Amino acid sequence: GAGVSQSPSNKVTEKGKDVELRCDPISGHTALYWYRQSLGQGLEFLIYFQGNSAPDKSGLPSDRFSAERTGGSVSTLTIQRTQQEDSAVYLCASSLFQGLTDTQYFGPGTRLTVL
Amino acid sequence: SQQGEEDPQALSIQEGENATMNCSYKTSINNLQWYRQNSGRGLVHLILIRSNEREKHSGRLRVTLDTSKKSSSLLITASRAADTASYFCATDRRNAGNMLTFGGGTRLMVKP
Repeated sequence: GAGVSQSPSNKVTEKGKDVELRCDPISGHTALYWYRQSLGQGLEFLIYFQGNSAPDKSGLPSDRFSAERTGGSVSTLTIQRTQQEDSAVYLCASSLFQGLTDTQYFGPGTRLTVL
Repeated sequence: SQQGEEDPQALSIQEGENATMNCSYKTSINNLQWYRQNSGRGLVHLILIRSNEREKHSGRLRVTLDTSKKSSSLLITASRAADTASYFCATDRRNAGNMLTFGGGTRLMVKP
């Protein structure tokens, strides 16, 4: 079946602009995660949605970052007033949330470049 | 912050040789997973080992886990040029939700 998809695959924006990144998880997966990968910080967790529970936002680096998940499926990560340090690959993952054994499946990522 | 450290950071071997990558972590975990990444894009899940398991095999992959040392190793046997990629270990910390904490990765190059 289809895997996790993300759009756009590449995004170039100017400093100060807002951007929206989209993630379509695997159908039936109840958990959805956002991570980002940058040269300086490696791979780091941003935010996590599980079913109808309140999201775990503990990884968001600043209040310029927010995410929502509509209808328990598609998720959008929004970065307001982008800064150059936001340049990174943003990766989305989804899982069935099988309790303690939970394999996360990743999308191809969105490469964000802030000029 | 990253929980894990991986070594080596880079590894170059000839096709047919075995490649061993190591990962260390800091806190108690539920599971440890290994992922592969090609060209800095999506991560491909390779194998998951539970905290109560010591060794697991999948094809040419062998993973070990030593919870007393908080370390894991990934062995790729009979390597192929197509195995060239970055390999990451990731842990989900006990009592801290299912989010993954990644190591810094090992860049593996397999020369034909």
